[in-house]
Amino acid sequence: NAGVTQTPKFRVLKTGQSMTLLCAQDMNHEYMYWYRQDPGMGLRLIHYSVGEGTTAKGEVPDGYNVSRLKKQNFLLGLESAAPSQTSVYFCASSTRTANQPQHFGDGTRLSIL
Amino acid sequence: AQSVSQHNHHVILSEAASLELGCNYSYGGTVNLFWYVQYPGQHLQLLLKYFSGDPLVKGIKGFEAEFIKSKFSFNLRKPSVQWSDTAEYFCALRAGNNRKLIWGLGTSLAVNP
Repeated sequence: NAGVTQTPKFRVLKTGQSMTLLCAQDMNHEYMYWYRQDPGMGLRLIHYSVGEGTTAKGEVPDGYNVSRLKKQNFLLGLESAAPSQTSVYFCASSTRTANQPQHFGDGTRLSIL
Repeated sequence: AQSVSQHNHHVILSEAASLELGCNYSYGGTVNLFWYVQYPGQHLQLLLKYFSGDPLVKGIKGFEAEFIKSKFSFNLRKPSVQWSDTAEYFCALRAGNNRKLIWGLGTSLAVNP
C-alpha cells in the first residue's frame, strides 16, 4: 500500500532553474496539499486542491504554481528557483470528511544554490 | 483568526519520565484536533485525533490526549517515555468545515537513555 508518494526525494538546483515536484496518492482522496517545512517554522501550506482541476493558495504561495489534472496527482512547480525556497517539501492528502487526518509523503529535500 | 500554540519548543527528558506537551488553540466553534509525530528524517504520522465524544483520546504507542473545551486545550501525554519517542510533535486544528489544517510550530522532544 503506497499511500502518498513524492518524487524526487532529493534535488539540488541552481538559482533561476525550474523544476516540478510530483505527488501521487492511491487512496482516492479528494484533497491534496503541498507544505514546506523549515526549522523553527513548522509546516506552512503552499497550495492545496479540493478536487481534480481545482487549486487554491495557502499561506506561502508566492514563487510556486500547482496543477491537479488528475485526481491522484498534485504537481508543485518552481518556475525560477530562489535560495529562499531551500526547504523540505511535503505533500499530503485526505478525504473530504472533516475528522479524517491528512496522510503525508516522505518529503522532498530541495536545495537551491 | 484561528491559531494553534505549542508552548514547549524543546523538551529533554530521561527515559521513564512522564511527558506532557501543551497545545492551545483559538477558535470558538466545532473543532477537530490532531497530534502528529515526525521521527528524525521521516514524514509526519498521525498519533491520535479528537473529533467528538470522549474528550480523552488514546493513540498509538501509549500516547493519549485530553480535549478540554473550556481551556481550548488538547495536551498530549505519555506516562513513561522511551528513547524511541525522540521526535518532533505537531498539534493541528481543523476549525469547523475548513478544508485546511492550522498547525502549531512543533515541539522537539529528546529522550536520553
